[in-house]
Amino acid sequence: EPEVTQTPSHQVTQMGQEVILRCVPISNHLYFYWYRQILGQKVEFLVSFYNNEISEKSEIFDDQFSVERPDGSNFTLKIRSTKLEDSAMYFCASSEALWQTVHYEQYFGPGTRLTVT
Amino acid sequence: AQSVTQPDIHITVSEGASLELRCNYSYGATPYLFWYVQSPGQGLQLLLKYFSGDTLVQGIKGFEAEFKRSQSSFNLRKPSVHWSDAAEYFCAVGLNQAGTALIFGKGTTLSVSS
Repeated sequence: EPEVTQTPSHQVTQMGQEVILRCVPISNHLYFYWYRQILGQKVEFLVSFYNNEISEKSEIFDDQFSVERPDGSNFTLKIRSTKLEDSAMYFCASSEALWQTVHYEQYFGPGTRLTVT
Repeated sequence: AQSVTQPDIHITVSEGASLELRCNYSYGATPYLFWYVQSPGQGLQLLLKYFSGDTLVQGIKGFEAEFKRSQSSFNLRKPSVHWSDAAEYFCAVGLNQAGTALIFGKGTTLSVSS
């Protein structure tokens, strides 16, 4: 069964460093998403991406964050200068476009745990 | 404001006993409702979803959920819990529109005792 994969599973970085989290969405999916979950809190939407553009973003997704689809398979989340409060589990998800399916759903990867020290 | 509330942070159920996890939502548009499960080290797996029609929906692993519009609720149930059901469960609400955000509840951790 196709699945979303994410690397690395755990990333430790120092405050102020740039970090790139990687995701490989399901191959025929056209929408891609990033969510995060700070320990003990809700899963929060960051951004969605379609056709090489941001489709929707939350107020969490400020100028420190960027997303990119550098090739035909990867989807990345970059945090330019990490802060302690960026420590969280980051989930990537993907979905079909609505014209591909009657009711879409988002398929999630296993997450990358980011620890900022 | 759009929100999802899962009132129970942690529930312990005996193996073989029935389970009900509560979910209430506040959403301006017609909601599409989801339950996800997360086992340790795993991603979020979709258990079931409700879009329209029959308000009782069946999902994987023997789970079901009932949509009650009058109560703004979408509670998850299972008649007989297995030890392997121990996990964290998330209720989420969204639009049936690709590219839009899912709004999640805080989750309920289920422990299963023998």
